[in-house]
Amino acid sequence: DAGVIQSPRHEVTEMGQEVTLRCKPISGHNSLFWYRQTMMRGLELLIYFNNNVPIDDSGMPEDRFSAKMPNASFSTLKIQPSEPRDSAVYFCASSLAWRAFFGQGTRLTVV
Amino acid sequence: GIQVEQSPPDLILQEGANSTLRCNFSDSVNNLQWFHQNPWGQLINLFYIPSGTKQNGRLSATTGATERYSLLYISSSQTTDSGVYFCAVVTGGGNKLTFGTGTQLKVEL
Repeated sequence: DAGVIQSPRHEVTEMGQEVTLRCKPISGHNSLFWYRQTMMRGLELLIYFNNNVPIDDSGMPEDRFSAKMPNASFSTLKIQPSEPRDSAVYFCASSLAWRAFFGQGTRLTVV
Repeated sequence: GIQVEQSPPDLILQEGANSTLRCNFSDSVNNLQWFHQNPWGQLINLFYIPSGTKQNGRLSATTGATERYSLLYISSSQTTDSGVYFCAVVTGGGNKLTFGTGTQLKVEL
């Protein structure tokens, strides 16, 4: 299995632009997570899905952030409009029976 | 919410040395995992260990669920062990993994 696949690996965008991050979970996994990592706040859970249904989005910072999982093999995290404070590494992870596996992350820089 | 504290925050070892990393948590958990974030940023799942002891090569982990702690042992450390080690827990229902602050490990020749 190729593991969790995220794209793009790096994204540089201007403030105010829309940013879409993509994730393909491991086949057969039924939970998907979006995390954000910064030096100040460490690893924070933004949202997670079970069987494609959002279960807990309490970590989504504000309405500018949205996430979707239209099917078991694809999820997106969208930021609109982006702001410099959104700069971070965004990780997607998937799991089956508790154990979580992470993608390589997307490093987002908003200038 | 649950508090997850890791110690020490930083650790420098000579290659070949052994070390113990600690994770304390403030509430009972039903899921505990250890991760290694390598210098390239990749997060690798080392153990799923809500209780008991497991071993994988030079690494082993033990969790005292009642006492609310977990330990990660690294024996005969190598430079490739460098990076940040995180423990992460789930409490109550659901599947929300809460990460600790991490231990930054550097192994030198």
